[in-house]
Amino acid sequence: KNQVEQSPQSLIILEGKNCTLQCNYTVSPFSNLRWYKQDTGRGPVSLTIMTFSENTKSNGRYTATLDADTKQSSLHITASQLSDSASYICVVQPSGGSYIPTFGRGTSLIVHP
Amino acid sequence: SAVISQKPSRDICQRGTSLTIQCQVDSQVTMMFWYRQQPGQSLTLIATANQGSEATYESGFVIDKFPISRPNLTFSTLTVSNMSPEDSSIYLCSVAVPPSNTGELFFGEGSRLTVL
Repeated sequence: KNQVEQSPQSLIILEGKNCTLQCNYTVSPFSNLRWYKQDTGRGPVSLTIMTFSENTKSNGRYTATLDADTKQSSLHITASQLSDSASYICVVQPSGGSYIPTFGRGTSLIVHP
Repeated sequence: SAVISQKPSRDICQRGTSLTIQCQVDSQVTMMFWYRQQPGQSLTLIATANQGSEATYESGFVIDKFPISRPNLTFSTLTVSNMSPEDSSIYLCSVAVPPSNTGELFFGEGSRLTVL
């Protein structure tokens, strides 16, 4: 069964600090891995997308890494801002014709001033 | 990219009633999906809305409970029928930008339903 596990479940940090969120998956073979940001009361918005051959992808202060051998990904947030408070969801898209991705439960990040 | 408008954004409903959620996309898309997001849980795919034919439902979801319409390539509705408190959730409309099996998913803002 395809699974995506995220850790930690929740995280509280001070504004300006860095943090790293983890994603472990069992989806194989996979086409791509995406990180989404979901603000409270809003729909998820894509931050990064990586294919299995990519190791890292940046989007401003967000940097995602991927190790396809260990089936792990991380999302690093640099110099956090209050607006980074949100849920971050790891999503893995299988290959082989299936269009149904597997979603993680998300990591809830709270940035305090 | 795709811009998705979903309504209502939230509603409070009585047990036993039904509610229809609308999803409007600013461009024609082939793949349109309906997801449910229960508190503290990941997104769960309810069904794929197929234009001109019956929706394809995932395990655990049935047409009688979640009838879906897809009259054209820019619009779809999801009805939550005979609601119970267990149906309290966020319902999200999503579209895939081609190629659908590798492309990005875009989401509406969600419809937060509370069933009393």
